[in-house]
Amino acid sequence: QSVLTQPPSVSAAPGQKVTISCSGITSNIGNNFVSWYQQVPGATPRLLIYYNNNRPSGVPDRFSGSKSGTSATLGISGLQTGDEADYYCGTWDSSLSAVVFGGGTKLTVL
Amino acid sequence: EVHLVESGGGLVQPGGALRLSCAASGFNFSSYEMNWVRQAPGKGLEWVSYISRSGNTRYYADSVKGRFTTSRDNARNTLFLQMDSLRVDDTAIYYCARAHYCDSWGQGTLVTVSS
Repeated sequence: QSVLTQPPSVSAAPGQKVTISCSGITSNIGNNFVSWYQQVPGATPRLLIYYNNNRPSGVPDRFSGSKSGTSATLGISGLQTGDEADYYCGTWDSSLSAVVFGGGTKLTVL
Repeated sequence: EVHLVESGGGLVQPGGALRLSCAASGFNFSSYEMNWVRQAPGKGLEWVSYISRSGNTRYYADSVKGRFTTSRDNARNTLFLQMDSLRVDDTAIYYCARAHYCDSWGQGTLVTVSS
C-alpha cells in the first residue's frame, strides 16, 4: 500500500485531456514539492514535472502539474497514443524521512 | 549529457549479499544528492535510499533499514548500494536517480534473489 494515493487507471481519447490525481497528507504533499514521472512499458522512468508545476527541458507543455493542500494533479492535454504509460507522483515525507511514491496510474489512450 | 550506469546486479541466494554501483558522468556528481529506487517485476516504484552530496546524511526505506548501506565516492563519481541479508522480496530492478526529485535515471540493474 503506497503512502500517496493515485487512481489505478485512467483513459481518454486521442486529442482529449486527462487528469491524474495524487493524494497525500500534510507531512508529505502538504509540506513538500511534488514530482511526476512517466514510465513507458519496458523503459526507465522519466521526470515530467518537478517542484509541483515545473517542466524539465524537453517535456512538452501538454504536460502540467498543480498542487493544492495535500493533493496534486498531473494534466495531460492533446493526448497522443505515445502518452500511454504508467504515471507516478512522488514527494518527500518529512515525518518518515523518506521519499514516497504513489502506486502509479496506467493511462490508456483509446 | 547526464549519464548514469548501474552495475552489479545478478542472481543471489536468500541471505546473500550484492554491491551495486552507479557510475555518473556528464555533470558535477559531488553537487547532487542521489537516490536508489527499485521496481519489483510488474510493480510500482519503491524508494530505497537517499544520500546527501557529501555522503554525511543517509536515509533508508523501512524495508531495507539495517540491511542496505548507501555510500558514494565523489572522486570516482560513483554511487554504491551494499545489500546484505537479501530476501526474495528484494528482487527488483534497481535504479540510481539524480537529485532529491530524481531528475535523471539510469537504465537499472536487475537483482534476483532466489534459491
